[in-house]
Amino acid sequence: GAVVSQHPSWVICKSGTSVKIECRSLDFQATTMFWYRQFPKQSLMLMATSNEGSKATYEQGVEKDKFLINHASLTLSTLTVTSAHPEDSSFYICSAATGPPGSPLHFGNGTRLTVT
Amino acid sequence: ILNVEQSPQSLHVQEGDSTNFTCSFPSSNFYALHWYRWETAKSPEALFVMTLNGDEKKKGRISATLNTKEGYSYLYIKGSQPEDSATYLCAFHSGNTPLVFGKGTRLSVIA
Repeated sequence: GAVVSQHPSWVICKSGTSVKIECRSLDFQATTMFWYRQFPKQSLMLMATSNEGSKATYEQGVEKDKFLINHASLTLSTLTVTSAHPEDSSFYICSAATGPPGSPLHFGNGTRLTVT
Repeated sequence: ILNVEQSPQSLHVQEGDSTNFTCSFPSSNFYALHWYRWETAKSPEALFVMTLNGDEKKKGRISATLNTKEGYSYLYIKGSQPEDSATYLCAFHSGNTPLVFGKGTRLSVIA
């Protein structure tokens, strides 16, 4: 149980275009989802917390107008990288918890974004 | 800024060897310590969530200990197998901040 599906697995886009990444909870309802980014040889860094039916909470240094998060249902959160630039090339991964804060997270497979 | 350190960064062991690695985290405001296994091309999978000082958890050949007073946790793998090859992540939770992850220990088990 507790499967999280993330799509696409990888995407290559041109500088200036926008890219949407989807994160779905397949067999549970996720009121909260977390979006992480990982640069090479670095740790997973939380970008934002996505809350169903309300605005996302962004971590310090993450531009909310550049990384648009929509959590319109209990099973789907999307991250849109707007006007992507090469420095946005990274590994993006979503996760959700099935219990209270401190519960283990269930992750998607991640999305490798390359901006040319 | 909360700092979570994992060592070693990478590790190569022979099949059958036992191994262990370390996660260091702040000793104040402790709420929970998570361990995840992340195999290549798969999603991270939760191994343990540890909350009590002195806690020891076990899952098959993998076990973990926790010392919240000195801020460290050890992950042990007994009789390593090739399928244990993965990156092992720990993450610290202070209760009022999101999970903070270490960079991971990359384990390669050679048959």
